[in-house]
Amino acid sequence: GDSVTQMEGPVTLSEEAFLTINCTYTATGYPSLFWYVQYPGEGLQLLLKATKADDKGSNKGFEATYRKETTSFHLEKGSVQVSDSAVYFCALSDLAGNNRKLIWGLGTSLAVNP
Amino acid sequence: NAGVTQTPKFQVLKTGQSMTLQCAQDMNHNSMYWYRQDPGMGLRLIYYSASEGTTDKGEVPNGYNVSRLNKREFSLRLESAAPSQTSVYFCASSVGTSGNTIYFGEGSWLTVV
Repeated sequence: GDSVTQMEGPVTLSEEAFLTINCTYTATGYPSLFWYVQYPGEGLQLLLKATKADDKGSNKGFEATYRKETTSFHLEKGSVQVSDSAVYFCALSDLAGNNRKLIWGLGTSLAVNP
Repeated sequence: NAGVTQTPKFQVLKTGQSMTLQCAQDMNHNSMYWYRQDPGMGLRLIYYSASEGTTDKGEVPNGYNVSRLNKREFSLRLESAAPSQTSVYFCASSVGTSGNTIYFGEGSWLTVV
């Protein structure tokens, strides 16, 4: 079945460092891919998404490119801030974008130190 | 800007007790969901309601019941709590069940002893 694999955390970085959180997937067909973020004490919120191969999602300085050839959707940010400390979840849905069948990664915790 | 509101935020139950988690959204969304989040397991869908008046099982429905009270409210009931139901529960909503952003509540931490 479909699955999502994220790099394990926690990831600890200094402010202004470059961030990469790896996400790879297995899926039949062409899923949509998402990154959600969970700040401390809050619910998850959509960070960015991509719906087809080579699409790049971007938001708040974060980017991720849908790579079909490597089945990856790695999250990157050029210069992290303390306020980026959160848990990041990669997820995929089927071609129809079926919310009932979202497949979630386990989450990667990021801590950014000043 | 309330969004999705769920209560209570924290609850400790004894095995066999019952309780209801309440959820309400003010975004006029048609679809609502209940998830549980466990270490090493990721998010798993318990039940969802595609639209007012309908509910369906998700991936892990056993031990739970739900009620879509109206378009705004979707409650999750544990009839006889078990330690295996210790988890963080998230309510969420979206415009529809396909291709729409899901909005989450802040979570409810439930411990069953």
